[in-house]
Amino acid sequence: NAGVTQTPKFQVLKTGQSMTLQCAQDMNHEYMSWYRQDPGMGLRLIHYSVGAGITDQGEVPNGYNVSRSTTEDFPLRLLSAAPSQTSVYFCASSTPGERGYEQYFGPGTRLTVT
Amino acid sequence: GEDVEQSLFLSVREGDSSVINCTYTDSSSTYLYWYKQEPGAGLQLLTYIFSNMDMKQDQRLTVLLNKKDKHLSLRIADTQTGDSAIYFCLSGAGSYQLTFGKGTKLSVIP
Repeated sequence: NAGVTQTPKFQVLKTGQSMTLQCAQDMNHEYMSWYRQDPGMGLRLIHYSVGAGITDQGEVPNGYNVSRSTTEDFPLRLLSAAPSQTSVYFCASSTPGERGYEQYFGPGTRLTVT
Repeated sequence: GEDVEQSLFLSVREGDSSVINCTYTDSSSTYLYWYKQEPGAGLQLLTYIFSNMDMKQDQRLTVLLNKKDKHLSLRIADTQTGDSAIYFCLSGAGSYQLTFGKGTKLSVIP
């Protein structure tokens, strides 16, 4: 199993540009989520999904869109990038198991908006 | 909403023990996790404890849970430079929604 994969690893955008951060998992997990990590802020939940066709907002959803057309993929779209969206983005997946709702994280995408 | 508090920084000398503390507010927390994030990497599960346990030991790691005070600690014995990382405390109440602490950055001085 590759686990949770994210592309790209690094990205630089200009203000106003759009892009999609890709996330895929091969563990058949129903739950997937996106977080952003900023210094001193920990991880904050952007959007999450409990299954294909179902998405919901987290703590900081503004400026981001998601969709979940398959169990495996959960892309995050930035419609019009702003410098405040400079951050490290992590995708995670989960399913109930012997360790409760343990989350499996991808390696992250480091995004800089200039 | 629910909250998890951790101190942001800890510095220890190589070979000493490290103790990272965490307090949480959700009295219905059933799972408590410690995740480790190495520089430039994602988060990986280090260890976990169920709320009906007081202690869990796993090689150099000891997790202590005081459910009455809602206090969780992670002790790393014989701390090595490879233990330098950010450690996150997470609580869960039996659903996908986990509450994250802001992370404790552990620096190990050679």
